[in-house]
Amino acid sequence: DGGITQSPKYLFRKEGQNVTLSCEQNLNHDAMYWYRQDPGQGLRLIYYSQIVNDFQKGDIAEGYSVSREKKESFPLTVTSAQKNPTAFYLCASSPQGNYGYTFGSGTRLTVV
Amino acid sequence: GENVEQHPSTLSVQEGDSAVIKCTYSDSASNYFPWYKQELGKRPQLIIDIRSNVGEKKDQRIAVTLNKTAKHFSLHITETQPEDSAVYFCAASKTSYDKVIFGPGTSLSVIP
Repeated sequence: DGGITQSPKYLFRKEGQNVTLSCEQNLNHDAMYWYRQDPGQGLRLIYYSQIVNDFQKGDIAEGYSVSREKKESFPLTVTSAQKNPTAFYLCASSPQGNYGYTFGSGTRLTVV
Repeated sequence: GENVEQHPSTLSVQEGDSAVIKCTYSDSASNYFPWYKQELGKRPQLIIDIRSNVGEKKDQRIAVTLNKTAKHFSLHITETQPEDSAVYFCAASKTSYDKVIFGPGTSLSVIP
């Protein structure tokens, strides 16, 4: 997966449950990001982290939480407070400086 | 915060013709402008980027232009091929460590 791995590829969640999406990179990138993509729409930023043990809210952080305990890992938890969680979730990483993102292959979350 | 607009939202061209996608951004401090291509069901991939100290950049059949005064930047694809069919996203960011804000995307169809 080009050095950044998201798992699982597909995820089903019952209403009221929390679920955690995994994102791991072995590119030695400092920064990591979570985006949400809805059908026919662009990429909206949920959270991002520029350094271990630090992260910032993006434009649509409500109902989501993250942690960055290791440089390689940036898991995203979709909580029951997120009203419309069904979407395609993309994780990305980038090195220091503006060199563009490397994206993972995504996780498609469906609430049933 | 930064806002990126993108036009058109859909574009159909005959194989061999050129395609042009235009974007505008709101924050005059933005200085890095990447373009991503997302094929159906796949992750976005960086295809070209431009920094604010450059007005134009080419890579084989694709080129980007930047007008910082007008806060416009464009993607030009020449001699289009069916494999160019995808959704293209423009984006902008301010600093080396800043988040990237994406435009809503353009769905390009190249008709054989």
